[in-house]
Amino acid sequence: AQSVTQLDSQVPVFEEAPVELRCNYSSSVSVYLFWYVQYPNQGLQLLLKYLSGSTLVKGINGFEAEFNKSQTSFHLRKPSVHISDTAEYFCAVTQPLQSGGSYIPTFGRGTSLIVHP
Amino acid sequence: DSGVTQTPKHLITATGQRVTLRCSPRSGDLSVYWYQQSLDQGLQFLIQYYNGEERAKGNILERFSAQQFPDLHSELNLSSLELGDSALYFCASSPGDSGNTIYFGEGSWLTVV
Repeated sequence: AQSVTQLDSQVPVFEEAPVELRCNYSSSVSVYLFWYVQYPNQGLQLLLKYLSGSTLVKGINGFEAEFNKSQTSFHLRKPSVHISDTAEYFCAVTQPLQSGGSYIPTFGRGTSLIVHP
Repeated sequence: DSGVTQTPKHLITATGQRVTLRCSPRSGDLSVYWYQQSLDQGLQFLIQYYNGEERAKGNILERFSAQQFPDLHSELNLSSLELGDSALYFCASSPGDSGNTIYFGEGSWLTVV
């Protein structure tokens, strides 16, 4: 079975500072990885995804993530955050349909990013 | 705007009652997924439909049921409601049945009192 662990439930940071939100996954087969953002009172919006190819993935709003197969990680980074980045961030994992594994996205518990002025 | 529409946005009901949540997927998407988000359980997958047929089942209680109609909209029926059913219920959709990138609606807030 696949699972996702987001190591930090809350990450406070000052505006314009860099940030890294950590995500580790477990799966016995190949994976697809995602980061979603949830702003207050809104649904989840896709930030970026890794399906194959380059392990460094760039997403919207200046975010990027790096897939590290040996460490089973998919950490999210941004070099300089803004107040507007304050939100809940979710890492998710799924498996290719043809892998025989679960293709339904499994989500981590979320990391609350709090950007202070 | 993801293109996934959920109604109602907010709902308050009493224990023991039954409610129906409705979801319209993005245009052209054949799969619909239902998730429950609560503080203690996080985002839990409930059920998936693909082109009218149940495709995958997660942690869905027997008191809950869902269906997808020929026009591809979906409904989640919650019955014999308990206080613990209070949560945010999300619908998501995707073009195929693989779960490879799903798009979420804004959710339906259910409060059971």
